[in-house]
Amino acid sequence: DQQVKQNSPSLSVQEGRISILNCDYTNSMFDYFLWYKKYPAEGPTFLISISSIKDKNEDGRFTVFLNKSAKHLSLHIVPSQPGDSAVYFCAATYTNAGKSTFGDGTTLTVKP
Amino acid sequence: GAGVSQSPRYKVTKRGQDVALRCDPISGHVSLYWYRQALGQGPEFLTYFNYEAQQDKSGLPNDRFSAERPEGSISTLTIQRTEQRDSAMYRCASGPGPDYEQYFGPGTRLTVT
Repeated sequence: DQQVKQNSPSLSVQEGRISILNCDYTNSMFDYFLWYKKYPAEGPTFLISISSIKDKNEDGRFTVFLNKSAKHLSLHIVPSQPGDSAVYFCAATYTNAGKSTFGDGTTLTVKP
Repeated sequence: GAGVSQSPRYKVTKRGQDVALRCDPISGHVSLYWYRQALGQGPEFLTYFNYEAQQDKSGLPNDRFSAERPEGSISTLTIQRTEQRDSAMYRCASGPGPDYEQYFGPGTRLTVT
């Protein structure tokens, strides 16, 4: 039973346009959500997070939206740049859980 | 500053051998995590430590897998009597605390022949 799902294995967008990556979760206990970016041959790197007390968190070109009633979050990248091409992992955890549960990732390709 | 390092980066071993994978976390990080990642999937939790205490080992697949962090810094993940199904990327991550973001190392690619 996969508790964090990223249903789109891949996404391709044009440079300068918006990229929207989606993530769904099933465990109601999750109260903290994170996005990681991974380049080939490297480990995932932390990108942005959101607590369940918020419905939006913004950091530069990256914005994460959380819809708790739908158990859905999304990462928006505006404007998309070729350097954003990577695998993006959604992760979820809850207070004092320690561990994070990851989705299987979405490969984003931004075309020049 | 220095990030999380893991050694070896690649390990090929014969079935039945024991292997030890090492993780050097970011200095000062309280929490240390081990994950296993199959191709095309996200990291799968194995175990984690706060300081030297193993807080959760629920993700370890069976008793052939063990981990330690005796001085609250470097950690070793040991797999005894390796099997082909143990072949995977093993990732270590560290963090300032259990409820914060994690910083991942480059991983150890284990191949059991």
